[in-house]
Amino acid sequence: SAVISQKPSRDICQRGTSLTIQCQVDSQVTMMFWYRQQPGQSLTLIATANQGSEATYESGFVIDKFPISRPNLTFSTLTVSNMSPEDSSIYLCSAGGLAGYNEQFFGPGTRLTVL
Amino acid sequence: GIQVEQSPPDLILQEGANSTLRCNFSDSVNNLQWFHQNPWGQLINLFYIPSGTKQNGRLSATTVATERYSLLYISSSQTTDSGVYFCAAPGAGSYQLTFGKGTKLSVIP
Repeated sequence: SAVISQKPSRDICQRGTSLTIQCQVDSQVTMMFWYRQQPGQSLTLIATANQGSEATYESGFVIDKFPISRPNLTFSTLTVSNMSPEDSSIYLCSAGGLAGYNEQFFGPGTRLTVL
Repeated sequence: GIQVEQSPPDLILQEGANSTLRCNFSDSVNNLQWFHQNPWGQLINLFYIPSGTKQNGRLSATTVATERYSLLYISSSQTTDSGVYFCAAPGAGSYQLTFGKGTKLSVIP
C-alpha cells in the first residue's frame, strides 16, 4: 500500500484568494489524481496529475481554476484559484499503480471553507 | 462513462446485526474498490476486488464481474463501522475511478 499525506489538513480562506494543496506519496507511483467532495456528496474526479506534463482535466474542471503540478513521481500540488464559497469542499489526492496494480490509495483530504 | 450505483442509500443497524451493501456498475471493469469514509472524512481502503471473493475480519466482498455487481458484507456490526461506504470503478480502458453515491451506515448501540 501507499501512505499519502496532504497539507494543509484544513483551511478557512477569503473569497477571491487562492490556496495550494500539497500531496506527498511515500512510494514512486505511476498515477496521481485529485478529487473533490462537496458537502454531503460523493467524490468527483478533478484531474489526472501527469508527471512532467500538463494535467488531464475532467469535464467541468479547467486549468485556470485548478492548476496542478507534478514535478516527480511522489509529489503533486493542486491550487484552487480565485475561490468562492462554492469551492468549499474536501479535496483529496490519490495514488495508484504500485507494483503494477490499479488499486488507488487516498490521502486524508484537505477540508476547505471559503467565506 | 461508467455508471456506478449503490444501494441502499441509508442503513441503520442495531449493534451486532449483519448487513449487505450492493454496488452495480454499467460496464466491464478491471478494478473495483470498496472504501469506508469515517466521520472525520478519511477514506479507508477496504477491498480491491475486480472479481471473486475476499474476506478481512468481519468484512467480506464479492464481485461478479460478468453480472456487473459487487456486494459488501458486514457481520456483527459495531458502532465503529458507522460512516459512508463507497464503491468505485474505472471506465473501460481508464484508471480514473468513478464513485457511487455511497451508503450511509449508522450502527446504534
